[in-house]
Amino acid sequence: GAGVSQSPSNKVTEKGKDVELRCDPISGHTALYWYRQSLGQGLEFLIYFQGNSAPDKSGLPSDRFSAERTGGSVSTLTIQRTQQEDSAVYLCASSPKRGTTDTQYFGPGTRLTVL
Amino acid sequence: AQSVTQLDSQVPVFEEAPVELRCNYSSSVSVYLFWYVQYPNQGLQLLLKYLSGSTLVESINGFEAEFNKSQTSFHLRKPSVHISDTAEYFCAVSEVNTGFQKLVFGTGTRLLVSP
Repeated sequence: GAGVSQSPSNKVTEKGKDVELRCDPISGHTALYWYRQSLGQGLEFLIYFQGNSAPDKSGLPSDRFSAERTGGSVSTLTIQRTQQEDSAVYLCASSPKRGTTDTQYFGPGTRLTVL
Repeated sequence: AQSVTQLDSQVPVFEEAPVELRCNYSSSVSVYLFWYVQYPNQGLQLLLKYLSGSTLVESINGFEAEFNKSQTSFHLRKPSVHISDTAEYFCAVSEVNTGFQKLVFGTGTRLLVSP
């Protein structure tokens, strides 16, 4: 079946612009995660959604970052007033249900370059 | 808070040789342990995980990892590597008693298998 998809695959933007990154999880998966993979910080957790519950935003690095998940499915990560340090690969993952033992299935990522 | 250390950023090895990728973690609470693999131009995939029970866990492609609580390690081994094992390998942990699987990753080890 279809895996996690992310769009765009690459995004180049100018410093100060806003960007939106999209994630389509595997159908039926209720849990959705965003991570960031950057040269300086490695892979770091950003935000977690479970169904229609309030998200866990503990990993968001600043208030310029926000995310939403519509209808318990598609998620959008928004970065406002982008900075060069936001350049990274943004990964989305989904898992079948709430829990600490489920497997997370990762998408291919969106490579964001801020000039 | 947890942290994961992968001391080797790159491990070159010849085909059919054994390999060990090291992973040490730090945590004040019980954790689950994971190894993820990222093949060139592909997304992250779960390779194996330790949740409970036998401390030795195996993957379907011949890798194994052993949880050593006293040494806080979860090293990944394979007795004979193939060219196709060339990839980046990430060790990760997540706290057992949180409401969701918040993965904390190491910085990754690039395994380079040559003929």
